[in-house]
Formats: sequence, structure tokens, C-alpha cells
Amino acid sequence: SAVISQKPSRDICQRGTSLTIQCQVDSQVTMMFWYRQQPGQSLTLIATANQGSEATYESGFVIDKFPISRPNLTFSTLTVSNLSPEDSSIYLCSATTGGDAQPQHFGDGTRLSIL
Amino acid sequence: GQNIDQPTEMTATEGAIVQINCTYQTSGFNGLFWYQQHAGEAPTFLSYNVLDGLEEKGRFSSFLSRSKGYSYLLLKELQMKDSASYLCACMDSNYQLIWGAGTKLIIKP
Repeated sequence: SAVISQKPSRDICQRGTSLTIQCQVDSQVTMMFWYRQQPGQSLTLIATANQGSEATYESGFVIDKFPISRPNLTFSTLTVSNLSPEDSSIYLCSATTGGDAQPQHFGDGTRLSIL
Repeated sequence: GQNIDQPTEMTATEGAIVQINCTYQTSGFNGLFWYQQHAGEAPTFLSYNVLDGLEEKGRFSSFLSRSKGYSYLLLKELQMKDSASYLCACMDSNYQLIWGAGTKLIIKP
């Protein structure tokens, strides 16, 4: 399975600033995803990162707030913009290799706190 | 709509067996996944079922009944390190994962 490196592992940010999270996979993958997970809750999909085109966002998430890049098949970034306390959460990157119906494998996550 | 149901929390004893159930309703079905997530860590893949029946992997087994929209994860010979949340997720017709809220499993000595 693919090994996924995500950084930073944690950060504390000021209100109104932005944080960019990086996700690097050790092999070419077909799909990459960004999730948010509140403590004690399940995963909420933010968007699917598409290589060479705009990300596909889920309901409730917009590009202006969560711009995503995926310049190639092994790398993606998620930026959380104009940070507010409600953005305090864990952000997870995942990726799938091979064809359809393959499991998603996750990075270690980024724990974000807003002052 | 799409929905995944699993118990919020379960408690079991070290050395025993526990079964975590998951029922689902999704738009199309391309398989069901189980993940383990220890506190403060990322989810890790445990099993995948797309056909009816039981898949066994060591101490862990996963069962699927597509006609009933039902799956379970069976953990045998429980160890303290099995204390974690267990997430059920279904892949819908668009190959998107629909996630359950997770079952927190507490293992007592």
C-alpha cells in the first residue's frame, strides 16, 4: 500500500490567517482526498483532489475557504483560509492506488488549533 | 438518502470475542470497508467485502450480507491494544466512501 506523508502534524494559528497542509505519496495514485475530523466524530469529506484540474468539493465546502492543489499524481495541498475557531479540527489526506474499489490509505493527519 | 449505522460504544474483556455491527443504505454499492482508528491517529485499513460471506484475516474477520445491508467485524482473542474506534464505510456507485460514525471499543482486563 502507498505510504502517505502529511505535514505539518500540528499547528496553532491566529484567527484570520491561513494554513497550508501538504500531502506526499510515495507512489502514483489515482485519487486523493481531503477529510476533516472533529474529536470523537467520524470523517467528513471536504473534497476530492483532481490532478491537473479543480478539486471536487462536497456540500458545505467551497474553494475560497479550502483551496486545493494537485499538480501531479503524488502530491496535493489543502489550504484552510481565513481561519476561525470553528476550523479547529484534524485534517486528513488519503489516497487510493490501483483501480476502483481499492481502500483509501491515510496520512497521519494535521491537528489544527486556532487561537 | 445514504446512511451508515453502527453502535457508538462497546465494551469487551481481554481474551474474549466481540462483534461490531454495521447496517447501511447507500446509492449503489461497491463494497464495504472496515478501518481501525486509535485515539489521536489516522484510520488504518482492516478489511474489504464486496461479495456475501466471511473474510478472515488472523484475529479479525468481516462478514457481509448485501441483501440485508449488513456487515459485522469480529475480533477474537481480544488484546488491550485493540481498544480503538472501528469505522464502517461503504463505497457508493460513484466510488465515494460513505463513513459511519464509528464504534469506540473499550477493552477491559
